[in-house]
Amino acid sequence: EIVLTQSPATLSLSPGERATLSCRASQSVSSYLAWYQQKPGQAPRLLIYDASNRATGIPARFSGSGSGTDFTLTISSLEPEDFAVYYCQQRSNWPPEFTFGPGTKVDIK
Amino acid sequence: QVQLQESGPGLVKPSETLSLTCAVSGYSISSGYYWGWIRQPPGKGLEWIGSIYHSGSTYYNPSLKSRVTISVDTSKNQFSLKLSSVTAADTAVYYCARQMTTVTTPCYFDYWGQGTLVTVSS
Repeated sequence: EIVLTQSPATLSLSPGERATLSCRASQSVSSYLAWYQQKPGQAPRLLIYDASNRATGIPARFSGSGSGTDFTLTISSLEPEDFAVYYCQQRSNWPPEFTFGPGTKVDIK
Repeated sequence: QVQLQESGPGLVKPSETLSLTCAVSGYSISSGYYWGWIRQPPGKGLEWIGSIYHSGSTYYNPSLKSRVTISVDTSKNQFSLKLSSVTAADTAVYYCARQMTTVTTPCYFDYWGQGTLVTVSS
């Protein structure tokens, strides 16, 4: 099983600041990595897929990078609605299995 | 607009079977995509349970495989989850979701239901 590790667990920032979130896989997942945003009481929302592609309707301030085992989600300038928990998710090759990281909470400083 | 809605009992007794259904609107299951179930224990992270294609092809989380059955009913445009022999550890919000494919393999979850809380308790 491929294990995803996310850091930091919590990121305390102010609106307008840049957020950099990390996701590391226990073995290579190529570019099969996604990022989700989840707000309290809501379902997760897909932000980034295939490591760097923004999902439909996702603002340009969200960007993803990386391949292999190390990935980054960057929010260039935090808006008030961006304070949430962010999860990464990978797909292993065969058989297809999907695991999520433990999450990074971005809260208001 | 694709919409998914989970339904089923909110309370299940230990050792019994949890059964949930996900009704899909705005998209025909028969047209493609995989369809998945994900759960989230209160205050914790996300766990993939399993996924199904309209043909009935399934993939399950190995840690749950012995207890999980996912099925699809294309005539009703819905898919279902059964989880047997439940314990308190199965208490969670259960989400259904549409799963994007890369080539022909399921990958990412792009549309989600709102989730339904299932509590396992006597």
